[in-house]
Amino acid sequence: ETGVTQTPRHLVMGMTNKKSLKCEQHLGHNAMYWYKQSAKKPLELMFVYNFKEQTENNSVPSRFSPECPNSSHLFLHLHTLQPEDSALYLCASSHQGDDGYTFGSGTRLTVV
Amino acid sequence: AQKITQTQPGMFVQEKEAVTLDCTYDTSDQSYGLFWYKQPSSGEMIFLIYQGSYDEQNATEGRYSLNFQKARKSTNLVISASQLGDSAMYFCAMREGFSGGYNKLIFGAGTRLAVHP
Repeated sequence: ETGVTQTPRHLVMGMTNKKSLKCEQHLGHNAMYWYKQSAKKPLELMFVYNFKEQTENNSVPSRFSPECPNSSHLFLHLHTLQPEDSALYLCASSHQGDDGYTFGSGTRLTVV
Repeated sequence: AQKITQTQPGMFVQEKEAVTLDCTYDTSDQSYGLFWYKQPSSGEMIFLIYQGSYDEQNATEGRYSLNFQKARKSTNLVISASQLGDSAMYFCAMREGFSGGYNKLIFGAGTRLAVHP
């Protein structure tokens, strides 16, 4: 148990489906992050939320829609994805003044 | 331009031996932080060790230590007395400056370490 919980752990979805990834932390952290990890590529930062306000969007396609209702919960809504979106999606959180992240275990997404 | 470079896609080491994983970085900031994470096959990213740009001593954390050479912009991870459970992907990451309460970490491509019995 890392303190950051991601669900589901695995997800297979068709290109016309709509699904959501969930991330939850009760560490009292103020910032939450979505990263994408594709095979043989470095982790790519997708979105950053600080005190539930979006502060970073790294040119992510609109088929990925984040939502942060409060500082403890972060969602990634998915719709009309492409096969190249198949990847491990990692959520992380951090506390103001601390340097490191606490990561979740990730959701392994397969788009068919 | 790539900011974090890990030149070793894969490394192997004999159990109980020491191994060094290389990482170089590129930044013009004076204040930055350097991290190493371990990712086993389960997918979770596990924080190992941190070095601040102003830290004069090399960071150590149990069997993990950093060989931090600021002038050369390198921060190599040394794992002593390797164990079979050390087999995993290892990622070097950098935080540049501060962004008002949150951190943007930039990651390298990773090095896959295999520990042989």
